[in-house]
Amino acid sequence: KAGVTQTPRYLIKTRGQQVTLSCSPISGHRSVSWYQQTPGQGLQFLFEYFSETQRNKGNFPGRFSGRQFSNSRSEMNVSTLELGDSALYLCASSSSYTEAFFGQGTRLTVV
Amino acid sequence: SQKIEQNSEALNIQEGKTATLTCNYTNYSPAYLQWYRQDPGRGPVFLLLIRENEKEKRKERLKVTFDTTLKQSLFHITASQPADSATYLCALAMDSNYQLIWGAGTKLIIKP
Repeated sequence: KAGVTQTPRYLIKTRGQQVTLSCSPISGHRSVSWYQQTPGQGLQFLFEYFSETQRNKGNFPGRFSGRQFSNSRSEMNVSTLELGDSALYLCASSSSYTEAFFGQGTRLTVV
Repeated sequence: SQKIEQNSEALNIQEGKTATLTCNYTNYSPAYLQWYRQDPGRGPVFLLLIRENEKEKRKERLKVTFDTTLKQSLFHITASQPADSATYLCALAMDSNYQLIWGAGTKLIIKP
């Protein structure tokens, strides 16, 4: 079956703009989590959605938001971009309390 | 405070030897622990999961141990190969909350 798909793969934005990233989970998976990864910082948890509800949230400012649709596809939005938002954004889907399946990520560069 | 620690320095191992990576945690009582492999610019890939009531898990050349008294997991790769070079991440999960808690990862370099 198809894996987790994230679009776009690469993105360049200017400070102050906003961006929307998309994640299509593995078919049947209802949980979608989002992470930010920067060099030396490891995976920083943003939020997790399950059946269209935000179930967990990390310690990120309100500029970072997300949502999940009825087909489990998820989007995350970052408003008023800052240079420090440049990172690899990863989405992971899961069917239960087991392993997470990650997408290839979206590399966001803010200039 | 709660934290997960993995060796922040890169681990250099000679091809054919056993690589051992460490994951230590404090102030958590995880229901299970997972190990992932991540290659540069790509998402992590699941390797192994071990539950709190399991001492050891094996999969081909991989072995994971879980000591809840020491609050430590060890990840072993036997007969290591250059293709095993990557960053390895450990992640904890609690019964009460699905959210995975991640270590920062250890970079493993296998030299030919």
